[in-house]
Amino acid sequence: EAGVVQSPRYKIIEKKQPVAFWCNPISGHNTLYWYRQNLGQGPELLIRYENEEAVDDSQLPKDRFSAERLKGVDSTLKIQPAELGDSAVYLCASSLGQYYSTDTQYFGPGTRLTVL
Amino acid sequence: AQSVAQPEDQVNVAEGNPLTVKCTYSVSGNPYLFWYVQYPNRGLQFLLKYITGDNLVKGSYGFEAEFNKSQTSFHLKKPSALVSDSALYFCAVTGGKLIFGQGTELSVKP
Repeated sequence: EAGVVQSPRYKIIEKKQPVAFWCNPISGHNTLYWYRQNLGQGPELLIRYENEEAVDDSQLPKDRFSAERLKGVDSTLKIQPAELGDSAVYLCASSLGQYYSTDTQYFGPGTRLTVL
Repeated sequence: AQSVAQPEDQVNVAEGNPLTVKCTYSVSGNPYLFWYVQYPNRGLQFLLKYITGDNLVKGSYGFEAEFNKSQTSFHLKKPSALVSDSALYFCAVTGGKLIFGQGTELSVKP
């Protein structure tokens, strides 16, 4: 069974440029998450989707970040414009969606963003 | 508010020796606890989780973790470490959303 797929794996951009990350979750997983992992820290949740609905986006910086999950499968996370402090690894994860608190989340390899 | 602490930034173990990676938690309500491992330039891989029941949880790659409610701990253990176990280990707790610790770098030397 294929795992969570993310692209690109690496991205280097100049500050103020836009950037987008794509995620394809494990087939049949209804819940999709985007996390940001800063160097030397654990991942922090940015947004959680249940099917097409963003049910927790309290940690998403809405002035520059946006996300969508059309048709409840693939998802895209966008930053516009990017700032130096956005340099991090952006991780996508998915879970079955049976019970949020105890479902196991499966992570993709991440996209390492460097903003110059 | 939920939180998790991993008191050791780094753990060094000789191959073949037992290893322990420590984790303590703070939650209101029932704790649901997870361990993940991260290899360089890769995402997090699930090792094991505690939901309820037996305090000793067995997981992938020979790892196990012991849930201790009185000490609010969920330490990760393995009886005999391998060089290939060298990686970054994260403890996480959820009761509303998954909260990760800072991570512990495990180094296993031959």
